Amino acid sequence: AQSVSQHNHHVILSEAASLELGCNYSYGGTVNLFWYVQYPGQHLQLLLKYFSGDPLVKGIKGFEAEFIKSKFSFNLRKPSVQWSDTAEYFCAVNADGNNRLAFGKGNQVVVIP
Amino acid sequence: EAGVVQSPRYKIIEKKQPVAFWCNPISGHNTLYWYRQNLGQGPELLIRYENEEAVDDSQLPKDRFSAERLKGVDSTLKIQPAELGDSAVYLCASSLRFRSYEQYFGPGTRLTVT
Repeated sequence: AQSVSQHNHHVILSEAASLELGCNYSYGGTVNLFWYVQYPGQHLQLLLKYFSGDPLVKGIKGFEAEFIKSKFSFNLRKPSVQWSDTAEYFCAVNADGNNRLAFGKGNQVVVIP
Repeated sequence: EAGVVQSPRYKIIEKKQPVAFWCNPISGHNTLYWYRQNLGQGPELLIRYENEEAVDDSQLPKDRFSAERLKGVDSTLKIQPAELGDSAVYLCASSLRFRSYEQYFGPGTRLTVT
């Protein structure tokens, strides 16, 4: 079964700092990769996704993620965070031929104004 | 476009009591999912429906959990009887049938079993 690892569950940083959240998955075949975000009091929503093509994908609100196949990674980045980026971020993987999304445990990110 | 609707948003019950959660997916979405999210964890799939057919229920604890989607639209997830360990957020999501990797989530129902 595929698994997804996210480290540094709690991240606290100041506004304008750069953010990088790691995501590693265990499946060796073709994968679709996602980052979801859950803002306080809101539901899970898609931040960005990778299916194929350019391994650097850009999402909403200035976020981007890079797929590195050799490292089984799909790390999320934002060069300069804002207080409104305070949220929980989940990496998810959908493996080829499998209709399931496997989620990581999430990263709780707090941005201090 | 209306999103996935879930009710209730919060539920507190005593152990051994039954509880039910309701979900109405996005209009036109054939596929419906129920997830459970424990504190500090990511969502875990309980069951997936394609229209009214449960096509993936291997993660559903069938001794106490049941679900239905009778007309292929809204769905109900039931727990009977509830146990303390069932305290979690229950999420519903939906997607178009052939885009099951693009799922849209509802706000969830936070269940507390005392």
